Amino acid sequence: SAVISQKPSRDICQRGTSLTIQCQVDSQVTMMFWYRQQPGQSLTLIATANQGSEATYESGFVIDKFPISRPNLTFSTLTVSNMSPEDSSIYLCSVNLGYTQYFGPGTRLTVL
Amino acid sequence: SQQGEEDPQALSIQEGENATMNCSYKTSINNLQWYRQNSGRGLVHLILIRSNEREKHSGRLRVTLDTSKKSSSLLITASRAADTASYFCATDAAQGAQKLVFGQGTRLTINP
Repeated sequence: SAVISQKPSRDICQRGTSLTIQCQVDSQVTMMFWYRQQPGQSLTLIATANQGSEATYESGFVIDKFPISRPNLTFSTLTVSNMSPEDSSIYLCSVNLGYTQYFGPGTRLTVL
Repeated sequence: SQQGEEDPQALSIQEGENATMNCSYKTSINNLQWYRQNSGRGLVHLILIRSNEREKHSGRLRVTLDTSKKSSSLLITASRAADTASYFCATDAAQGAQKLVFGQGTRLTINP
């Protein structure tokens, strides 16, 4: 299994500001995934982060709004830019080991 | 877009009873995974079933997969109060893509 940590665990932010979420994995992985879970909803994939290349974004998500860094095989960051209340969600990173996908504890973001 | 649908959306049973949750999906899959989420926290991986498997057990959990009907079920036997959580199925919708598509989830409440 994989041990995944995220920082911060939660934050309350003002609209118009940006927040960077960090994700650390205890093993080297090629791909890391960022998901969003809006209140009362299921998870939606934002993007796939590959080390050494640009992240691949899913439909409805753009790099200007959710820039991602992947400096090495165990770490990634997701920035939520120019936030609005609609960005209030839980943001989760995940990795795949073998066939199983493991998730971090999530970052609960509230935008006022 | 979400390809999975789960039913029921909410289920409330008495402690000790069995709980069954169903998941349907739309496209061919490699694997189907079930996750538990407690109170908006991170996802805990419960069980993975491959497309060539029909049934899998893990402790009090039993998962079935019917690829002809594109559906899966999760059975929790002898439920406990600690099983109260949201349960999600997730499929990898494309060959080798690793990224998951989640169902809408079932909110399970176990009453003491």
